[in-house]
Amino acid sequence: DAKTTQPPSMDCAEGRAANLPCNHSTISGNEYVYWYRQIHSQGPQYIIHGLKNNETNEMASLIITEDRKSSTLILPHATLRDTAVYYCIAPPPNAGNNRKLIWGLGTSLAVNP
Amino acid sequence: DTGVSQDPRHKITKRGQNVTFRCDPISEHNRLYWYRQTLGQGPEFLTYFQNEAQLEKSRLLSDRFSAERPKGSFSTLEIQRTEQGDSAMYLCASSQSTSGIYNEQFFGPGTRLTVL
Repeated sequence: DAKTTQPPSMDCAEGRAANLPCNHSTISGNEYVYWYRQIHSQGPQYIIHGLKNNETNEMASLIITEDRKSSTLILPHATLRDTAVYYCIAPPPNAGNNRKLIWGLGTSLAVNP
Repeated sequence: DTGVSQDPRHKITKRGQNVTFRCDPISEHNRLYWYRQTLGQGPEFLTYFQNEAQLEKSRLLSDRFSAERPKGSFSTLEIQRTEQGDSAMYLCASSQSTSGIYNEQFFGPGTRLTVL
């Protein structure tokens, strides 16, 4: 299975950018990297995904290294409501067409006032 | 609200009892997933449906667990003879398949099961 490595926790000041790193050195060439977050006691929420190019949407930006072995999720102006566990996910090469998600422990981001 | 819904949100049961959870996916989504999450861990894949067909089951899904999606719409997850180790959050997600392209999974709020 493609595995991801994330720091267990990070802190960020409100209004500043939060940069969350992820290593996925075993990702195969045609698999996307996905980011979800989970606010306490809620179901996970999709944030963004990417393959090779950097991606941006209304929630975040995703920077993927050229060798695709790591990526960084950027929340440009973190708010208190961004406090959550952030999961970086790379589906296993044998995920087939079902697209099940294999979750690690994620990064617990605390946004401080 | 047209998101994924789950019922009940909380369930407390005694060991040995049977429980059933329901998931209503987003109406146009043909894929439905069940995950289990214990405290401090990420969700673990349990099973997956495409329309009414159950296409994959995790080894985590013992013979006490059964899931159905009879008409390709809502799904149920039943746990028979519950054990204390079954205590967890059970999450349902749905997505719309598009050939060759991954689509995001939309999650429900989960059902928190406590087995006493």
